[in-house]
Amino acid sequence: AQSVAQPEDQVNVAEGNPLTVKCTYSVSGNPYLFWYVQYPNRGLQFLLKYITGDNLVKGSYGFEAEFNKSQTSFHLKKPSALVSDSALYFCAVRATTDSWGKFQFGAGTQVVVTP
Amino acid sequence: NAGVTQTPKFRILKIGQSMTLQCTQDMNHNYMYWYRQDPGMGLKLIYYSVGAGITDKGEVPNGYNVSRSTTEDFPLRLELAAPSQTSVYFCASSYSTGTGGTEAFFGQGTRLTVV
Repeated sequence: AQSVAQPEDQVNVAEGNPLTVKCTYSVSGNPYLFWYVQYPNRGLQFLLKYITGDNLVKGSYGFEAEFNKSQTSFHLKKPSALVSDSALYFCAVRATTDSWGKFQFGAGTQVVVTP
Repeated sequence: NAGVTQTPKFRILKIGQSMTLQCTQDMNHNYMYWYRQDPGMGLKLIYYSVGAGITDKGEVPNGYNVSRSTTEDFPLRLELAAPSQTSVYFCASSYSTGTGGTEAFFGQGTRLTVV
């Protein structure tokens, strides 16, 4: 079975400060890892993914994430947050051995960026 | 490409009524999924499919049915609607490659209220 934990329901950060959204996962074998963002009344938008290779992954809108196998973590980061980054963020995992391609999503973390 | 298209966007049902949520994708993806999103609960997988004619239950299948007669379409059927099915429903698709996993592409969602 696979699972994802996002330990913070909400993260508050001032505009211009670094933003970190935490994610840990559990999966049998190796993972594919993903981050999505959801704005109010919208679907989920893909931000970035880790498949293999470099542990630091860069994605859309200046976001990046670091895969840490020993800590089973995939934290999302942005060096300088914008008010427009305020949204709901989801981490997801998919086992490389899962032929059905199922994704397991975390509960989500609400990011609030204040001016 | 339109991506993943869901209809309707909003619907109010009375208890005991039935309806079908439509989902179609034009990316020739083999995997398709139905999720429901309840406040503070993240996304729960209802049903998924690995290709035409092949479907399986996810975490919360009770009260729902699916079919996949074509690669493009993956409708979700609600029989005998109950208030517990009030939620936002998302359809998604993805595909497999020889070298790794791909992200899921989401529709804009259907907001369903059962009264």
